[in-house]
Amino acid sequence: GEKVEQHESTLSVREGDSAVINCTYTDTASSYFPWYKQEAGKSLHFVIDIRSNVDRKQSQRLIVLLDKKAKRFSLHITATQPEDSAIYFCAASRYVGDNSKLIWGLGTSLVVNP
Amino acid sequence: EAAVTQSPRSKVAVTGGKVTLSCHQTNNHDYMYWYRQDTGHGLRLIHYSYVADSTEKGDIPDGYKASRPSQENFSLILELASLSQTAVYFCASSDRDTEVFFGKGTRLTVV
Repeated sequence: GEKVEQHESTLSVREGDSAVINCTYTDTASSYFPWYKQEAGKSLHFVIDIRSNVDRKQSQRLIVLLDKKAKRFSLHITATQPEDSAIYFCAASRYVGDNSKLIWGLGTSLVVNP
Repeated sequence: EAAVTQSPRSKVAVTGGKVTLSCHQTNNHDYMYWYRQDTGHGLRLIHYSYVADSTEKGDIPDGYKASRPSQENFSLILELASLSQTAVYFCASSDRDTEVFFGKGTRLTVV
């Protein structure tokens, strides 16, 4: 079946450095790619997304890049802060008829060290 | 603000017993989902729904049933709870290819 692979299961960076999390997908029809953050013991919440009609999107310190040829997308967190420490999930849309659902990566545990 | 409310927030169930997890959304979203999260694992989709009175099987539907009696409500039913169903369950809602809003989760322990 269709898959989303999240390449880094854990990532440790120093505060102020950049963190990059990479995902690849298999469904060439995927056109929507969101990212979610889950802090320890809490639920998931949306952080940023990108659609296939663009290859870059930025929201404050978050940048998402999309390479459709390589079927790869990545989340860049610049100037990391301790509160960025969390599990980050990537996802890609999969279409079933007129409807869609998300295929999720397994998550990347990001630790920002002071 | 968009809201997804799950109840109960935690539950201890006996093996072989029936468990119902409830979810209510005030987002006016068409899509609702039930996910399961186990320690060290990502999210696994159990059941989902595009419209009231209709449900679809997700990736791990065995041992679970779902019910969507209205746009706002989506339940997950474990008819015969088993030890392997101990996990955290998340309900969520969204529109097509838009931000997914998650509930706070239900921690289910089957003993």
